[in-house]
Amino acid sequence: KAGVTQTPRYLIKTRGQQVTLSCSPISGHRSVSWYQQTPGQGLQFLFEYFSETQRNKGNFPGRFSGRQFSNSRSEMNVSTLELGDSALYLCASSLGPPKSYTFGSGTRLTVV
Amino acid sequence: KNEVEQSPQNLTAQEGEFITINCSYSVGISALHWLQQHPGGGIVSLFMLSSGKKKHGRLIATINIQEKHSSLHITASHPRDSAVYICAVRSDTDKLIFGTGTRLQVFP
Repeated sequence: KAGVTQTPRYLIKTRGQQVTLSCSPISGHRSVSWYQQTPGQGLQFLFEYFSETQRNKGNFPGRFSGRQFSNSRSEMNVSTLELGDSALYLCASSLGPPKSYTFGSGTRLTVV
Repeated sequence: KNEVEQSPQNLTAQEGEFITINCSYSVGISALHWLQQHPGGGIVSLFMLSSGKKKHGRLIATINIQEKHSSLHITASHPRDSAVYICAVRSDTDKLIFGTGTRLQVFP
């Protein structure tokens, strides 16, 4: 059974650019959530989607957005990148909240 | 003050020792998760608890809802248990809040 797939694994972008990250959940999982992890702030919740609807959103600026498609795949977008957006971005899928999560390996974003 | 506090922040143990990691939270919750993160970033969900106690192999997780406290125990620790252990709660307002993690190193 395939796990949660995140692409790309690594990404280098320039300040001011935008980036789109992708997450393919485990087959049958309808909930996808996104997290940012930095050495200074630890793990922080970005947003959660269930059946194409955003259920919840963390305390991040509007530059961070996401969506979920009908096949449960999800994308997150960060516009006007800042140096502080450099982080490991993780997604996780579940059958639906509050079920147990399976995490992807993450996308490591570096903003230069 | 953080809404989810873990202790200790760092823990060193000899192989075979019994280990306890604590998590206290100050918000109402619907569930509490224990996660394990190895170097390189991969996160594994160990337990999801809303009451009582769960056991999986050498790992035991307990939660006391009245005291707003959870513990993760590792029996007969092994070097492969070396990782960061993270407590996370799903609050009553459906937000996911993470602790800062406990870095465990187990030496042979």
